[in-house]
Amino acid sequence: NAGVTQTPKFRVLKTGQSMTLLCAQDMNHEYMYWYRQDPGMGLRLIHYSVGEGTTAKGEVPDGYNVSRLKKQNFLLGLESAAPSQTSVYFCASINLGLYEQYFGPGTRLTVT
Amino acid sequence: RKEVEQDPGPFNVPEGATVAFNCTYSNSASQSFFWYRQDCRKEPKLLMSVYSSGNEDGRFTAQLNRASQYISLLIRDSKLSDSATYLCVVSKGAGTASKLTFGTGTRLQVTL
Repeated sequence: NAGVTQTPKFRVLKTGQSMTLLCAQDMNHEYMYWYRQDPGMGLRLIHYSVGEGTTAKGEVPDGYNVSRLKKQNFLLGLESAAPSQTSVYFCASINLGLYEQYFGPGTRLTVT
Repeated sequence: RKEVEQDPGPFNVPEGATVAFNCTYSNSASQSFFWYRQDCRKEPKLLMSVYSSGNEDGRFTAQLNRASQYISLLIRDSKLSDSATYLCVVSKGAGTASKLTFGTGTRLQVTL
């Protein structure tokens, strides 16, 4: 099993450009999450999903959109990137009844 | 006030030393508590959960004090491989399927 994978691993965007980050998990987990991690701040929840076709806002959702069309995939979109969105983005997944949120390796995004 | 507060460190300790980290949380309704480990430029991984009765896993001991709203992590006989950032994580629900609140982390550097 690959666990949780994220693509791309690195990306540089110019202000105003758009992009989609892909998270994929092969553990048949129901719940999936997108976090961002910035220096001096803990991981902050952007959006999450409790099942295929469902999404919900987390702590810092502005400027991002998400979709969960397939159970194994959770997409994070930036429609018009801003320098404030420069960050490391982590995806995570878990099933109810399990113990640990499993994280992907992260995507390092720089917006210039 | 941050929901979860940690001393960022770094804690520089020699190999073989005992080191302890504390973390305070502000929401008295929090139900689940965890320590995650994050290596440099890697994803967080669950180190251990924290129970009211305290729990031990090898060289690691975690404790919870609900009255004072803090949790602790004790590492005995530190190894070079323990060098990492330790994240204090709190959840309002049971288990990590509920939304997690992360501290900013305490950095540990173990030296020869």
